[in-house]
Amino acid sequence: DAKTTQPPSMDCAEGRAANLPCNHSTISGNEYVYWYRQIHSQGPQYIIHGLKNNETNEMASLIITEDRKSSTLILPHATLRDTAVYYCIVQSNFGNEKLTFGTGTRLTIIP
Amino acid sequence: GAVVSQHPSRVICKSGTSVKIECRSLDFQATTMFWYRQFPKQSLMLMATSNEGSKATYEQGVEKDKFLINHASLTLSTLTVTSAHPEDSSFYICSALRGFEAGYTFGSGTRLTVV
Repeated sequence: DAKTTQPPSMDCAEGRAANLPCNHSTISGNEYVYWYRQIHSQGPQYIIHGLKNNETNEMASLIITEDRKSSTLILPHATLRDTAVYYCIVQSNFGNEKLTFGTGTRLTIIP
Repeated sequence: GAVVSQHPSRVICKSGTSVKIECRSLDFQATTMFWYRQFPKQSLMLMATSNEGSKATYEQGVEKDKFLINHASLTLSTLTVTSAHPEDSSFYICSALRGFEAGYTFGSGTRLTVV
């Protein structure tokens, strides 16, 4: 699987949009971009994933650049409960492949 | 949504004893489950892939005789930490893939403390 690069930490004011970047310059054509987050002392939680089109669900939006070498996760109205470590992972769609976690971005929402 | 139940959430054991951690997929069948370990302020490290009806596949550096994995049914995988030592104290997390579109579902984790 391709490696990803994320900033180690970010702060965001409560109520503002949180934009978390991820670089995946070696992503291959069959690899999806997945985002998970881990709130302290809990298991990771799936947020969203995409291949090349922008995606939106009830939790977040995912913007993938046209060359697919980077992406941004957007939490439109951050709340204190969004404080967590966010992981960007690229993975192929061949099913049951193991997820490899990088160091992620520690997002802190500030009141 | 898909739920993976992990039990116990916390366990304290004495050095030299064994501890079993259960991971259950509650509303779907999982032919494959994954076990991770996480030390404080570090990322998740994959330990092994648990395959229903066959032997687990261990990552490099993980002792298969120390971390016994059994995946006897499509809804249950267990991780047994044998002859536990204080350095085995960690946060253990399991996960399963329900379907590709749904991503991986993770258990809530087990905090193991060996004293």
